[in-house]
Amino acid sequence: NAGVTQTPKFQVLKTGQSMTLQCAQDMNHEYMSWYRQDPGMGLRLIHYSVGAGITDQGEVPNGYNVSRSTTEDFPLRLLSAAPSQTSVYFCASSYSSSLDSPLHFGNGTRLTVT
Amino acid sequence: KNQVEQSPQSLIILEGKNCTLQCNYTVSPFSNLRWYKQDTGRGPVSLTIMTFSENTKSNGRYTATLDADTKQSSLHITASQLSDSASYICVVSAEYGNKLVFGAGTILRVKS
Repeated sequence: NAGVTQTPKFQVLKTGQSMTLQCAQDMNHEYMSWYRQDPGMGLRLIHYSVGAGITDQGEVPNGYNVSRSTTEDFPLRLLSAAPSQTSVYFCASSYSSSLDSPLHFGNGTRLTVT
Repeated sequence: KNQVEQSPQSLIILEGKNCTLQCNYTVSPFSNLRWYKQDTGRGPVSLTIMTFSENTKSNGRYTATLDADTKQSSLHITASQLSDSASYICVVSAEYGNKLVFGAGTILRVKS
């Protein structure tokens, strides 16, 4: 099993550009989520999904869109990149949305917006 | 407000020594607490989970404790190795709203 795969690993965007961060998991997990990690702060939830066709907003959803057309894939779209979106983005999946299930994280995408 | 505070922010120890990382939380009502290890350039990986009724749990050289009364947890690393160099993140689950609250992490560096 590859686990959770994120692409690309690094990305530089100019302000106003759009892009999609890819996330795929091969563990048949129902729950998937996107986090951003900034220096000195805990991981913050952007969007999450409890199954194909179902998505919901997390703590910091503004400027991001998601969709979940399959169980395996959960892409994150930046509509119009801003310098405040410079961060490391992590995709995570879990067997269920139960608080007892551990999150399985990808290795992150480091995004810089200039 | 639900918060998780970790201390120290960073720590440097010599290989073979022990260390203890602290996690204080104000999350209520409490469901469980999980410790993750995050190697540089990688995503976090779960080390252990503590539920309300558990006081101590070990995973190899890692031992987690939980005091639900004082809302404190610790992660003790015994006989540290260079591979223990990482960020250790404490995550507390709130029972209502299915919410995870992440600490900012403690950066541990083990020197030879």
